[in-house]
Amino acid sequence: DVKVTQSSRYLVKRTGEKVFLECVQDMDHENMFWYRQDPGLGLRLIYFSYDVKMKEKGDIPEGYSVSREKKERFSLILESASTNQTSMYLCASSLLGYYSNQPQHFGDGTRLSIL
Amino acid sequence: DAKTTQPNSMESNEEEPVHLPCNHSTISGTDYIHWYRQLPSQGPEYVIHGLTSNVNNRMASLAIAEDRKSSTLILHRATLRDAAVYYCILPQGGSEKLVFGKGTKLTVNP
Repeated sequence: DVKVTQSSRYLVKRTGEKVFLECVQDMDHENMFWYRQDPGLGLRLIYFSYDVKMKEKGDIPEGYSVSREKKERFSLILESASTNQTSMYLCASSLLGYYSNQPQHFGDGTRLSIL
Repeated sequence: DAKTTQPNSMESNEEEPVHLPCNHSTISGTDYIHWYRQLPSQGPEYVIHGLTSNVNNRMASLAIAEDRKSSTLILHRATLRDAAVYYCILPQGGSEKLVFGKGTKLTVNP
């Protein structure tokens, strides 16, 4: 089975801190994604990557950056954390497909609180 | 972008089949139909996906209407562990982005 591992289940940080969220997948998937999930807003795509060192903005990239130095690892960076970035963050991965014919596999999420 | 419509909630009894409907009347010819579910305090879990033909896997079956404007996720024998929010999703054509709506909250009664 595909395993997507997020480094922390719960994280508490302070406003203004630089925050790193790490995600590792063990299935040699080309695509990796970062979403955030908020009550009433569903999942929203922040960034995705279709190859090492490649990235594309999702719907809500402001205040975030990403890094993909190795195929199995995709990091989400909050440059200067703010309280409105308190959320559940979800990482996913998938094979490179055609017309979205490949499923995405998700980690268990990191619940991030910014105080 | 093709949108989906699902009932807000459904209820089932343990060990009975469950049919979860989804309408997607604006689906395009290349849109795959994906189903995910999310248990409390967990990330979404892939269930099944298909294009035109009915699909089966160890978790569920997916029945796709001939005109592709609707589909039904079938859980053959519901268990308490199947209680979750089920999402029917059409990834935006040509992209990998999943857009999760509100989904259907399935309650399974013992």
